[in-house]
Amino acid sequence: ELKVEQNPLFLSMQEGKNYTIYCNYSTTSDRLYWYRQDPGKSLESLFVLLSNGAVKQEGRLMASLDTKARLSTLHITAAVHDLSATYFCAVSRRSNDYKLSFGAGTTVTVRA
Amino acid sequence: EAGVTQSPTHLIKTRGQQATLRCSPISGHTSVYWYQQALGLGLQFLLWYDEGEERNRGNFPPRFSGRQFPNYSSELNVNALELEDSALYLCASRGPERADTQYFGPGTRLTVL
Repeated sequence: ELKVEQNPLFLSMQEGKNYTIYCNYSTTSDRLYWYRQDPGKSLESLFVLLSNGAVKQEGRLMASLDTKARLSTLHITAAVHDLSATYFCAVSRRSNDYKLSFGAGTTVTVRA
Repeated sequence: EAGVTQSPTHLIKTRGQQATLRCSPISGHTSVYWYQQALGLGLQFLLWYDEGEERNRGNFPPRFSGRQFPNYSSELNVNALELEDSALYLCASRGPERADTQYFGPGTRLTVL
């Protein structure tokens, strides 16, 4: 069974500073996903990472994937209040019909 | 293009009752996934339907069931509701053009009293 671990689970950020969220997974996966969830809302897809060394960036968020270490990172540059949300990583395998196995989520609070 | 829709938004039931949740996928998508997001348990895979058939299910008891209709919409049924079934139920659809990407609906918040 695919196990996904995220850390930290809670992250209090100061506006303007940089932070990183880590996502480790237990076995080989074909895809690594990052989602954002606002309180009481659904999941918004941020990134899909496919291959070793993949890096994707959107605004202040950058995700990278190291398949050998089974590690993905979500880097936040110069945090702003709008980034307050819960961030989930998830993995899937084609052999498992791309069903998603999620990490526990990282709740991010950005303070002034 | 309309996204994934779910109904109802909120559902309040009492223990022992049955709940029915509905999901309409993005047009052209034939796969529907159901996930449960319960407090303290995170997001867990429930069921996967494709082309009208159940293809995979997660580690949930048989009282969680569902079906997929010819128009690819889907229904999740939870029988004999228990308090711990209170959760946000998310539906996601997947289409042939991006087989590795699921698009999530807004969810149904089920509260069992």
